Amino acid sequence: AQSVTQLGSHVSVSEGALVLLRCNYSSSVPPYLFWYVQYPNQGLQLLLKYTSAATLVKGINGFEAEFKKSETSFHLTKPSAHMSDAAEYFCAVSGLTGANSKLTFGKGITLSVRP
Amino acid sequence: DAGITQSPRHKVTETGTPVTLRCHQTENHRYMYWYRQDPGHGLRLIHYSYGVKDTDKGEVSDGYSVSRSKTEDFLLTLESATSSQTSVYFCAIQTEGPYGYTFGSGTRLTVV
Repeated sequence: AQSVTQLGSHVSVSEGALVLLRCNYSSSVPPYLFWYVQYPNQGLQLLLKYTSAATLVKGINGFEAEFKKSETSFHLTKPSAHMSDAAEYFCAVSGLTGANSKLTFGKGITLSVRP
Repeated sequence: DAGITQSPRHKVTETGTPVTLRCHQTENHRYMYWYRQDPGHGLRLIHYSYGVKDTDKGEVSDGYSVSRSKTEDFLLTLESATSSQTSVYFCAIQTEGPYGYTFGSGTRLTVV
């Protein structure tokens, strides 16, 4: 079984401030981890993914995430928020084979960026 | 990019009527998925398929059935639509093993 916990449903930061969105996972097999972004009334866009290569993963739009097995975490960060980062962010986990080979999502975090 | 198309994009239907949503892929990917998205719940898996005629339930399968008679099409049916099934439905295909997924644009379903 696999699951994802995203703490808090809403994060608000000032433009130019650090963005930190938290994600903790549970998986009975080595996980693959993902962050997706969804802008209002749009579909899902992949930000980045961890596939057991480098533990620090860089994605699009200046985002990055670090896989920490000891903490079962995969937190998303961006050094300096931009107004265009306002969106909903989802963390997701999948496993290698069979019934684990499907994406399980967290409940999502809405990021607001204040001018 | 793998081609994936959902139809219809929007639908309004009445309580108690059957509804079928279609997901079509232009390649031959084995795994296909149906999710629903609701505020505060993220995306939840309804059903998935790992091949023609091979399907399994996800975490919110009650009230839904699926069929996959050919590789490229994965159909989601609401046997008798209820207001609680008002949602946005996303189809996805697994394109790179367990670490690559492509999502459709979604179907917004309203049950009145």
